[in-house]
Amino acid sequence: GQNIDQPTEMTATEGAIVQINCTYQTSGFNGLFWYQQHAGEAPTFLSYNVLDGLEEKGRFSSFLSRSKGYSYLLLKELQMKDSASYLCAGRSYGNNRLAFGKGNQVVVIP
Amino acid sequence: DTGVSQNPRHKITKRGQNVTFRCDPISEHNRLYWYRQTLGQGPEFLTYFQNEAQLEKSRLLSDRFSAERPKGSFSTLEIQRTEQGDSAMYLCASSDDTGGNQPQHFGDGTRLSIL
Repeated sequence: GQNIDQPTEMTATEGAIVQINCTYQTSGFNGLFWYQQHAGEAPTFLSYNVLDGLEEKGRFSSFLSRSKGYSYLLLKELQMKDSASYLCAGRSYGNNRLAFGKGNQVVVIP
Repeated sequence: DTGVSQNPRHKITKRGQNVTFRCDPISEHNRLYWYRQTLGQGPEFLTYFQNEAQLEKSRLLSDRFSAERPKGSFSTLEIQRTEQGDSAMYLCASSDDTGGNQPQHFGDGTRLSIL
């Protein structure tokens, strides 16, 4: 089974850096995904990690430590449009479902 | 690439009625997923198709729920004898199966409200 845990809400200032953490317990771990979801809209894929280390994609980076069951998403140079919920989701070998956490609501203020 | 399309966007119905939702995946994607999302929660997996074959079903998918993908393209999700607890956003996602862990791309969902 899978258990994904995320903190619920944080506020940050425009231009700042924010780190969103995710811990997971997944048997047969086969990758961790990060999605962004604006209210009333579809989740949008941001990044994916299956090996330990940092994946960088422009202003967004994601880190994975498989031994610690831990990932984080780093958002740099925050913009107002980054106000959204950020969801982490784990996947296991042998199935194709994603197990999502509750999401972390980020509010960007001027 | 027009993305994953779902309709209707909103459905309001009385308890006990049947409802059907449609999902059109990204055209070259052979994998299709249904999820349900309630307020303040992440999406919960319901079922998965590879082409026309339904390969995985969650325990959340009671016998009132049925999903089909008859030609391996669009999919429908039907809920019979709706209950208040069925009120949620129903999300569809698709992916292809080339090169390992391809991300799932989501549609905007169908919001179901049961009166």
